[in-house]
Amino acid sequence: DTAVSQTPKYLVTQMGNDKSIKCEQNLGHDTMYWYKQDSKKFLKIMFSYNNKELIINETVPNRFSPKSPDKAHLNLHINSLELGDSAVYFCASSQDGNGNQPQHFGDGTRLSIL
Amino acid sequence: GDSVTQMEGPVTLSEEAFLTINCTYTATGYPSLFWYVQYPGEGLQLLLKATKADDKGSNKGFEATYRKETTSFHLEKGSVQVSDSAVYFCALSSGNTPLVFGKGTRLSVIA
Repeated sequence: DTAVSQTPKYLVTQMGNDKSIKCEQNLGHDTMYWYKQDSKKFLKIMFSYNNKELIINETVPNRFSPKSPDKAHLNLHINSLELGDSAVYFCASSQDGNGNQPQHFGDGTRLSIL
Repeated sequence: GDSVTQMEGPVTLSEEAFLTINCTYTATGYPSLFWYVQYPGEGLQLLLKATKADDKGSNKGFEATYRKETTSFHLEKGSVQVSDSAVYFCALSSGNTPLVFGKGTRLSVIA
């Protein structure tokens, strides 16, 4: 049973295209997140949703738009992809937004822009 | 703002060697502290955590103690194995803020 699953695992596409990454968690958690990991392994929070509502939106270009149809799903849509968007994107969830709760991560989506 | 500084890698050790990965933090208030591990091709997994000063987190032979006086949370293991090869991330969270990660330390253990 995969707790946090994201698809696709790999995504190779050309500059200027629009793409989506899907994330689902079956842990019954209220809070979900998107992180970006660059080529040097540095991890940075992008968005956080609690019960389908946006809680955190870091300084991310508005080409990135998260959508949460229900609290078990948090999808990431990216418009007009740029070379600098190449990275590994991780979805995560936690029981609630309380900092004491550990986060559970998906296996990542490796996005490569040609 | 809150931040985490951990030793830069890569760290290469022989099997059964002692491991220390240093982590220090700056934060307002009293954060919770975490170590996450990322094995090749996988997402991050929680390794251990501590939520208040002097707490010791432990798991799989790894330990870290929350030291408020030195604002540190160093990761240690007495005898590493090849299977411990991974990237280790120190992280903190204050209240309802998101996790703030260190830059990660790559550990390679050779037989």
